[in-house]
Amino acid sequence: DVKVTQSSRYLVKRTGEKVFLECVQDMDHENMFWYRQDPGLGLRLIYFSYDVKMKEKGDIPEGYSVSREKKERFSLILESASTNQTSMYLCASSITGTVSYEQYFGPGTRLTVT
Amino acid sequence: KNQVEQSPQSLIILEGKNCTLQCNYTVSPFSNLRWYKQDTGRGPVSLTIMTFSENTKSNGRYTATLDADTKQSSLHITASQLSDSASYICVVGGGGGNKLTFGTGTQLKVEL
Repeated sequence: DVKVTQSSRYLVKRTGEKVFLECVQDMDHENMFWYRQDPGLGLRLIYFSYDVKMKEKGDIPEGYSVSREKKERFSLILESASTNQTSMYLCASSITGTVSYEQYFGPGTRLTVT
Repeated sequence: KNQVEQSPQSLIILEGKNCTLQCNYTVSPFSNLRWYKQDTGRGPVSLTIMTFSENTKSNGRYTATLDADTKQSSLHITASQLSDSASYICVVGGGGGNKLTFGTGTQLKVEL
């Protein structure tokens, strides 16, 4: 079974703090993705990566950065958290090729910025 | 603009009944269409994925249909169970750059 894990299920941070969200997958997938999910908006792609040390901006990269130093690990970084970044963050992974391959999602991290 | 619209927004049915969820999309070019189930507080889990040439696919009590001409898909759930209570998300792949466009989901509640 594919397993995608995320470092925290719930996280509460203060405005201006630097926040790290970590994602680990155990299926040797090349592709990894970070999404945020907000009520009424659906999932929106923040960043994705096709390989170690590679990253591509998604639809809403502003205020975020990512790091992929190892194939199995993809980190999302909020340099200076703001209240409008309160959201559910979902990590996903898939095998190489295009995104038409199935994406496997982690359980999500619900981040609250106060 | 690539869009995926789902209806209804929410639905309540009695256990044992059937239901059908709808998905309309304007993603172009089209690559594939997927249905995901997302339990509350969990990540989405794939139910079905269909390419252009497929017009129906089943996964147990879940049957998805695709009409690429009218750009519509439906997810039919047979003999619903309490565990079917979840959000069902329609996702379309394509639209340039092989990106995914997500619908906002249909929230299904199955009651006794």
